[in-house]
Amino acid sequence: NAGVTQTPKFRILKIGQSMTLQCTQDMNHNYMYWYRQDPGMGLKLIYYSVGAGITDKGEVPNGYNVSRSTTEDFPLRLELAAPSQTSVYFCASSLETRAPGNTIYFGEGSWLTVV
Amino acid sequence: AQSVTQLGSHVSVSEGALVLLRCNYSSSVPPYLFWYVQYPNQGLQLLLKYTTGATLVKGINGFEAEFKKSETSFHLTKPSAHMSDAAEYFCAVSRNDNYGQNFVFGPGTRLSVLP
Repeated sequence: NAGVTQTPKFRILKIGQSMTLQCTQDMNHNYMYWYRQDPGMGLKLIYYSVGAGITDKGEVPNGYNVSRSTTEDFPLRLELAAPSQTSVYFCASSLETRAPGNTIYFGEGSWLTVV
Repeated sequence: AQSVTQLGSHVSVSEGALVLLRCNYSSSVPPYLFWYVQYPNQGLQLLLKYTTGATLVKGINGFEAEFKKSETSFHLTKPSAHMSDAAEYFCAVSRNDNYGQNFVFGPGTRLSVLP
């Protein structure tokens, strides 16, 4: 029962480096999300996707890119890492069925430090 | 636009005491309401949710929350705190609109349980 799996769990990047956070879900959810969590700020939506081939910006998209080539995978790309991107990143998914109050399921998080 | 406020970024209670975590929301349409818990170095897990029907909702680990439309509140309670309840708690709002499901999270409340 894997749910939402994201890798790596921990990573240290140098300023200007690039990396991709991987996310995959095995629940056949059409909606997927990337959030960042900073102390006292809650969760901020970076990007989301409503299905394969469709992505859209969230509240804080600058410095990130995403793609959704399959239903299962939703990688998050950091092109030129900056210290402001030091954060904990969560991938999540949900099933959009028009039923009331669909639950969003989270991965275990990726701790990223940019130095 | 929806928003969520959680009164108190940090709440401390003694083991066995009542837990009360406050959540207020603003939404132009009736929302769906959630409480998530995050244990250290883990992702967010669903505690409970309100969609429709009974306004008192029971969740896992003895937690419950009551939806009060007149007060736009969804406070989380537990009669007797346990050491294992120490975690961060997030209130969230979602609604289905023409483009699908939109989640907004509060800033979180860290619960400490003192022996």
